[in-house]
Amino acid sequence: KQEVTQIPAALSVPEGENLVLNCSFTDSAIYNLQWFRQDPGKGLTSLLLIQSSQREQTSGRLNASLDKSSGRSTLYIAASQPGDSATYLCAVRPRTGRRALTFGSGTRLQVQP
Amino acid sequence: DAGVTQSPTHLIKTRGQQVTLRCSPKSGHDTVSWYQQALGQGPQFIFQYYEEEERQRGNFPDRFSGHQFPNYSSELNVNALLLGDSALYLCASSRYVGLAEALTEQYFGPGTRLTVT
Repeated sequence: KQEVTQIPAALSVPEGENLVLNCSFTDSAIYNLQWFRQDPGKGLTSLLLIQSSQREQTSGRLNASLDKSSGRSTLYIAASQPGDSATYLCAVRPRTGRRALTFGSGTRLQVQP
Repeated sequence: DAGVTQSPTHLIKTRGQQVTLRCSPKSGHDTVSWYQQALGQGPQFIFQYYEEEERQRGNFPDRFSGHQFPNYSSELNVNALLLGDSALYLCASSRYVGLAEALTEQYFGPGTRLTVT
């Protein structure tokens, strides 16, 4: 059974800092990995999707890397802003069996102005 | 493009009652998945519908059922509500492509907040 773990569970940083969010998964047989942002009480906004054959994806100040063999992904946020405050979730899609997303519990990020 | 829409936004029900939640997928998408997200947790997969049939199911009891209509919209029904069913219910849509049944990126709706008292 696939398990996804996100560390840390919560993070508070001053504005302007670069930061790294971590995601690990137990089964490397994945199709892709997706990072989402969730504002309180709201739905999920997809940030980056990395296919299993890729090593990283970039969008603006966000960079996500994937090391499938070690079961790890990181989300790097450059020059953090108060508007980045949200919960960040990673999810993996398995290559076999059910193809539904398996999510981690998220990292709750607060960027202090 | 309206994206994925869900209704209602919020709902309050009493234990033992039944509830129906609705989802309209993003234009061009034919697959709808439902997830349950308890407070402070990541979403948990309930089931997925494609071509009006349930294709995959997570570890949820039979009290949870669904339906997909010819226009690809979907309903989630929960019978005999329990306090533990209180959660944010998320709908995600996507499109099957290719022989490998690979799914394109999933797009999520804003969710329905269900409170069971």
